[in-house]
Parts: sequence; structure tokens; C-alpha cells
Amino acid sequence: AQSVAQPEDQVNVAEGNPLTVKCTYSVSGNPYLFWYVQYPNRGLQFLLKYITGDNLVKGSYGFEAEFNKSQTSFHLKKPSALVSDSALYFCAVRDIYARDDKIIFGKGTRLHILP
Amino acid sequence: DAGVTQSPTHLIKTRGQQVTLRCSPKSGHDTVSWYQQALGQGPQFIFQYYEEEERQRGNFPDRFSGHQFPNYSSELNVNALWLGDSALYLCASSLAGGLVSYNEQFFGPGTRLTVL
Repeated sequence: AQSVAQPEDQVNVAEGNPLTVKCTYSVSGNPYLFWYVQYPNRGLQFLLKYITGDNLVKGSYGFEAEFNKSQTSFHLKKPSALVSDSALYFCAVRDIYARDDKIIFGKGTRLHILP
Repeated sequence: DAGVTQSPTHLIKTRGQQVTLRCSPKSGHDTVSWYQQALGQGPQFIFQYYEEEERQRGNFPDRFSGHQFPNYSSELNVNALWLGDSALYLCASSLAGGLVSYNEQFFGPGTRLTVL
């Protein structure tokens, strides 16, 4: 069965510092991996995805994520945090060999960027 | 492009009632998925519709049903509401993908359902 773990409920980072939001996954085959962000009273916004190819994926708003197959991780990163990055971040996975394209989401990590 | 739209924005119902939520997909998309997001949790997959049929389903009871119309819009129906159904219900649209490629899902703002 597919699963996603986001080990941190909340991450606090000072503005201008690099940020990392952690994600590990479990699938029976090869994964499709995603990061979404959710602002208050808004739906989820797509940030980036890993399908195949380069392990470092670049996405929206200066975010990037690194796929690490040996560690089954897909951590979200940004070199310099902005206060406007404060939001709820979700990691999600799909098994590319599954017969359905159901996406499994993690519980989310709340990111606080401190001015 | 209006993106994915959902109606209503908020809804309050009492236990035992029935509710219908609506979703219009992003222009050009043909697949609609529904998710339930309880407070403090990640979205949980309910089901997905493609070509007016339920293509796959998550671990939700039969009280949850849906429909997709020829214009690709969709409805989520929940019968016999109970307190635990209170949540944000998210609709996501995408282009049907196969094993070779996968298209990301675009989410609507959600419908906040409160069951009293």
C-alpha cells in the first residue's frame, strides 16, 4: 500500500534562511511524487512533481525538491525563505504501476517564516 | 481560464440530511477527483470520475456517491450525514493519464461542510 510521511507538524524558519520540509514515501513500485501548498481558505496549489529523470526538480515560487530513491525521500527546499511562504505544505505520492491514479497525501507540515 | 470552481463555498447541515456538492473542472480537463480533508489532516481520496463513470474509489462508504456530466462537471452526494462528515471537500481536475505520463491535478477552493 502507498503511504506518505511528513514527520514534522510544523517548521519555523527565519526569513532569508534556507528551508527544508521533509517527506518520505512508501510504494510497491516506482513513485510519482508531488508537493502542494495550501493557503488559508484556499484549495491546494501545485508546486512541483517528480516523474522521472533528474533527481532535483524545480517548481513554482523558487521551490525545489530532491528525489532520493535509496532513502525514499522527497524533501522540499528553498534557498531563501519569504514570509509569504508561510502556509500548509502537503507531500503526495502515486505508484506509477498501480492500476489507478489515486494520489495519497501526507498529513501536512505547517511552515512558519518569521520576519 | 477560471480554473476549478466549486459550489457552494460553505454549507451547514444536520445529521441524517443529504447534501450535494458541485464542481466544474479546469477548461480542457476531463477527469474529476473528489477528496475529503478533515481538520488537521491531509486530503483523503474519495473517488474519481472519467467519461461519466466512477473509475476508482477510496475507502469511503456507499453513502458517498457521485456523478459526472457530459460537460465534465461533477457532483458529490452524501446521504445520511453524520457528524464525522464535517470537512473541507476538495474537487480536483486533470487530463486522463496513462502509465507513461501523469498530469498533475488542479484543485478547487473547496466546500466547507459542517454537520450539526
